Amino acid sequence: DIQMTQSPSSLSASVGDRVTITCRASQSISSYLNWYQQKPGKAPKLLIYAASSLQSGVPSRFSGSGSGTDFTLTISSLQPEDFATYYCQQSYSTPPYFGQGTKLEIK
Amino acid sequence: QVQLVQSGAEVKKPGASVKVSCKASGYTFTGYYMHWVRQAPGQGLEWMGWINPNSGGTNYAQKFQGRVTMTRDTSISTAYMELSRLRSDDTAVYYCARDITPGIAAAGFDYWGQGTLVTVSS
Repeated sequence: DIQMTQSPSSLSASVGDRVTITCRASQSISSYLNWYQQKPGKAPKLLIYAASSLQSGVPSRFSGSGSGTDFTLTISSLQPEDFATYYCQQSYSTPPYFGQGTKLEIK
Repeated sequence: QVQLVQSGAEVKKPGASVKVSCKASGYTFTGYYMHWVRQAPGQGLEWMGWINPNSGGTNYAQKFQGRVTMTRDTSISTAYMELSRLRSDDTAVYYCARDITPGIAAAGFDYWGQGTLVTVSS
């Protein structure tokens, strides 16, 4: 099974900051990497698929990069609605494990 | 617009079974695999398996083999997830999620149901 590790587990930032979250796979997954945002009491929302493709309707301040084992999600200028928990997920093989999540909090 | 609407919250005793439904609308139900993902309170996301609504074929995570059954009724565009021999650590929100790619289990999830809380308590 391919394990996914995110860092950091939590992060404090201010509105307007540039933020980067990292996800590492236990073996190469090419570009089979997705990012989700989850707010309390809500279902996850797909932000980025195939490592760098922006899902329809997602603001362009979100971007993804990476391939192989190392990936990043970047938010270029944090907005108040971006404070949430973010998960990466590999879709290279079954089971499609998620990372443990990164909680983004207001500083 | 695509919508996945799940059945309501359930409270079950240990050892019982629960069946959660997920009604799809706004797209061709048989065209996309449906996955089930759960989230225990305060925890991360855990994939449980998928069903191919076209063929009825399934693939379950090893952890749930023998306890989970995923089915569908194409006449009403609804997928079901039944979990048996419930334990307290099965207490979680259960989500259905549509696969992002038509016709294959690409395992990216573009639309999600609202979630169904299943509480297992004696």
